[in-house]
Parts: sequence; C-alpha cells; structure tokens
Amino acid sequence: EAQVTQNPRYLITVTGKKLTVTCSQNMNHEYMSWYRQDPGLGLRQIYYSMNVEVTDKGDVPEGYKVSRKEKRNFPLILESPSPNQTSLYFCASSLWGVANEQFFGPGTRLTVL
Amino acid sequence: AQSVTQLDSHVSVSEGTPVLLRCNYSSSYSPSLFWYVQHPNKGLQLLLKYTSAATLVKGINGFEAEFKKSETSFHLTKPSAHMSDAAEYFCVVSDREAAGNKLTFGGGTRVLVKP
Repeated sequence: EAQVTQNPRYLITVTGKKLTVTCSQNMNHEYMSWYRQDPGLGLRQIYYSMNVEVTDKGDVPEGYKVSRKEKRNFPLILESPSPNQTSLYFCASSLWGVANEQFFGPGTRLTVL
Repeated sequence: AQSVTQLDSHVSVSEGTPVLLRCNYSSSYSPSLFWYVQHPNKGLQLLLKYTSAATLVKGINGFEAEFKKSETSFHLTKPSAHMSDAAEYFCVVSDREAAGNKLTFGGGTRVLVKP
C-alpha cells in the first residue's frame, strides 16, 4: 500500500531533551516536507527536500533540523525542544514538488513540558 | 511572496444545502492552487487542484472550485452537503516564481453539517 508513515504518533517530552520524529514514504517520491499544525494557523511548512541531500527552509524552520540521506526517509530533529514546539506535525511527500498532490502522513502529536 | 486567506474559520450548513468555502490568494503570476480536506484525527487528503488548465476544477465527492484571476479567488463549492462532509478544509497555494518550492496553507475552515 502506498503510504507515508510517521513515528511516533504521540510523544510527550520535557524541555531540552533531543527527539527525532521519523517519516518514511514508499512511493519513490522526490519531494518531502514537514509541517506543523496549530489552531487557526493552518499548516506551516518547516523544511522541505527536493531530493537526497537537498534540503531547504520553509516558513518556520527555527528550532528544527532535517536530513535526507535516503530518498524514502526524512526525519525531523528537535535538538532542544521547547514548549512553543508543542504542536501536531505532518510529513508529506509528492512525486516532483509543489505542483503535485501532496500525500500526508497520519500526524505526530508532540507535547513539550 | 505568496499568501492565502480563508475568509471563514467556521461554516455551518444543513444537510442537503449548498456549501461555499471562500479562499483568496496572493501570488505573482501563475500559482498552483489546491483544496485539501482533513477529517477528525486524520491526515490531509487532496480534494482538487488547479494548475492553469480549465478555470472550473472538479474534485472528489462532488466538490468543485473556480479559479478567478481577476478576483484572486479560488472558492470551493458543493451543491448538496452530506454529513460526511463535516471536516476542516484548507486552501493551499504554490507559486514557483514567488516562493520557489514552498507551499502556503490558509488557516482552515471548519465545516459543521447539521441533520
């Protein structure tokens, strides 16, 4: 089944404790991206990647890192999480880029205490 | 730069009546525009997209949207609402000239369908 998977689905952590949210797609998509969803703000793009070893900042990259060492995986890293990073996070992928349909993962709900 | 404004944060309709969700965008010249739907506790699913072909775009589940360049609008409509349409809807813009490979989402419109 073609899909985007994220792990974990739910995470409660404390300020400053490094964490990684994994994202994987099995559709051989070139473009992958991360978003955070906050009430009233819609989804805001954190980082995106056009291909392996090619990443770029979205609109809200502060406090986040990403890497794209393999085509299928695009982990989101929070080196020192803070409470303002409490949010719902979505990973998405598409075949070529922003003009194509984005396929979204199920979401990761992160709470930073 | 590109931006999207969804004019209503909440819309309430009765089952069987029309639905109208309003979206205005800002971009330089030739945007791609999308509507996505998010059902409770789910990821997002594409409803329809506009990429400079026909200005009236038909999507899944009876939804359609009309691109009006002069009004910079991309409103989403459905003639007859169904209970299963209760969800949050997002208007999305991408404009390679204005913003490279970024996507910009509107704030979302939550639709309530009354029986």
